[in-house]
Amino acid sequence: DTEVTQTPKHLVMGMTNKKSLKCEQHMGHRAMYWYKQKAKKPPELMFVYSYEKLSINESVPSRFSPECPNSSLLNLHLHALQPEDSALYLCASSPQDNRGTYEQYFGPGTRLTVT
Amino acid sequence: SQQGEEDPQALSIQEGENATMNCSYKTSINNLQWYRQNSGRGLVHLILIRSNEREKHSGRLRVTLDTSKKSSSLLITASRAADTASYFCATDGRYGNKLVFGAGTILRVKS
Repeated sequence: DTEVTQTPKHLVMGMTNKKSLKCEQHMGHRAMYWYKQKAKKPPELMFVYSYEKLSINESVPSRFSPECPNSSLLNLHLHALQPEDSALYLCASSPQDNRGTYEQYFGPGTRLTVT
Repeated sequence: SQQGEEDPQALSIQEGENATMNCSYKTSINNLQWYRQNSGRGLVHLILIRSNEREKHSGRLRVTLDTSKKSSSLLITASRAADTASYFCATDGRYGNKLVFGAGTILRVKS
């Protein structure tokens, strides 16, 4: 199974709502990522988890809260978002060891609209 | 921050023609990767080239890397309508699993 799944596909939420994005992979990858992508722009890294521990936080506002419950799951909890947070949120995974960088496998993304 | 710059920003060609996209980056890398993204969907990994490699092939794809010029190119030969997508280069750096993506090239292949 070389697939990364993300739910939901689309999400519309108000600025006072709390919601969560979910990501799952069963490739045994020990690195997982959240990216944010605005229209016609490249993906921008938000968080990296390595062996279920947060290893990189790209100075993301605290209204985005990542969680890695186990090696297959990655969540992104959303609270008090702003309209400018509307974007495509991509999850990815990759192998992780000390030998270098590997290709990342991306999910199809969650299209988030904040009203 | 965005490390890679790509050109052209957009490219429109006829089916069967070759498409060449270029990527430049600013800092030292361990490897450089190319990804494809169909409209509004997830990215698909195409090819990874390590800093000690100069050229790599995968099917109709040919990637070159010139670390002295900090640049890479992606050549798609005999293009097909299904190749229509955005193409991004991505570089790693000090942190191995942190990728920084270039601005991307939008390729349109007309049938």
